[in-house]
Amino acid sequence: NAGVTQTPKFQVLKTGQSMTLQCAQDMNHEYMSWYRQDPGMGLRLIHYSVGAGITDQGEVPNGYNVSRSTTEDFPLRLLSAAPSQTSVYFCASSYSGVGQPQHFGDGTRLSIL
Amino acid sequence: GENVEQHPSTLSVQEGDSAVIKCTYSDSASNYFPWYKQELGKRPQLIIDIRSNVGEKKDQRIAVTLNKTAKHFSLHITETQPEDSAVYFCAASITGGGNKLTFGTGTQLKVEL
Repeated sequence: NAGVTQTPKFQVLKTGQSMTLQCAQDMNHEYMSWYRQDPGMGLRLIHYSVGAGITDQGEVPNGYNVSRSTTEDFPLRLLSAAPSQTSVYFCASSYSGVGQPQHFGDGTRLSIL
Repeated sequence: GENVEQHPSTLSVQEGDSAVIKCTYSDSASNYFPWYKQELGKRPQLIIDIRSNVGEKKDQRIAVTLNKTAKHFSLHITETQPEDSAVYFCAASITGGGNKLTFGTGTQLKVEL
């Protein structure tokens, strides 16, 4: 049982490049979410999903897209990377609600030059 | 929206002493209050949570208390050990489906030998 798996673990991008952060869970959780973690600011919600085909915006959605075609996968896309998107990104899942994440992935450390 | 404030930002205790971290929240409708522990470079891990119909919850050396009237909740760690050294985050949400979790800014706990 792998839990929540995120890839890649590290990534360096140039300004303007696009990329997709992958997130997969094997617990059949309906609720998944993406957070970014910046120094001194805790975790902030980017986007979330309450089930396959249903997504919505969180606190800081600008510059990011998501989709949820299956229960297992919830990728996060950076459309045109900016230095302000340098951060650590965590994917989370829950069986009881977006506001009750029980499991986090190991994170993706992203640097935008 | 919800606002969660967390104090102190850093806390240093001697091994064996107790540690207390305090959080306040703004939305009286919030009814779910989890605590996460994050070791350096690792994922956040849910260590304990409390719901608004309970005033206190304990799990071995960890306890959480909730004062709904004052809108604050606290994490208590007794008999601290070096492995308790980490960043601790409080959070608040309203249970149910797509309701979001708002995090505090974290407390760096250092347990000194």
